[in-house]
Amino acid sequence: DVKVTQSSRYLVKRTGEKVFLECVQDMDHENMFWYRQDPGLGLRLIYFSYDVKMKEKGDIPEGYSVSREKKERFSLILESASTNQTSMYLCASSLGASSSGNTIYFGEGSWLTVV
Amino acid sequence: AQSVTQLGSHVSVSEGALVLLRCNYSSSVPPYLFWYVQYPNQGLQLLLKYTSAATLVKGINGFEAEFKKSETSFHLTKPSAHMSDAAEYFCAVSVRSGGYQKVTFGTGTKLQVIP
Repeated sequence: DVKVTQSSRYLVKRTGEKVFLECVQDMDHENMFWYRQDPGLGLRLIYFSYDVKMKEKGDIPEGYSVSREKKERFSLILESASTNQTSMYLCASSLGASSSGNTIYFGEGSWLTVV
Repeated sequence: AQSVTQLGSHVSVSEGALVLLRCNYSSSVPPYLFWYVQYPNQGLQLLLKYTSAATLVKGINGFEAEFKKSETSFHLTKPSAHMSDAAEYFCAVSVRSGGYQKVTFGTGTKLQVIP
């Protein structure tokens, strides 16, 4: 089974702090994604990466950055956390871009509260 | 651009009754379509996906969905609801865009099962 692991399930951070959310997948997937989930808004794509050191902006990249130094690891960075970034963050992965029918596999999610 | 509309943010059914969760999509190219389920405090799990092989797709836990191109719909059904089906369900459309897999999720439908 594919496993996507998000290292932190619950975090509380202060406004202005730099926050790192880490994600690791164990199936050699090329694609990795970071989504944000808010009630009534569904999942919104923040950033995705289709290869090591490559990244593409999603629909809501403002206030976030990402890093992908190794194929299995994709990090989401909040440079200066703000209260409106309080949310559930979901990491996901899928096989390469050869097919748009690839299943997206999700981690368990990271609940971030910014106070 | 593609989009997904899930009709009804909350659906309640009695245990043993038919479950019907509605999903309509728009896409300028032939899409792949997915249904995911999310249990409380967990990530998303794949229920089923449409990849053009067959219009009626069977998934896990007794769920199925039918792709209807003329209606641009991909509704999720289950003949008899079980208490364990209480969860949030997301429809998603996936296309190839700019060489990448781009997945757009609906806003979700919370299913309540009444004993």
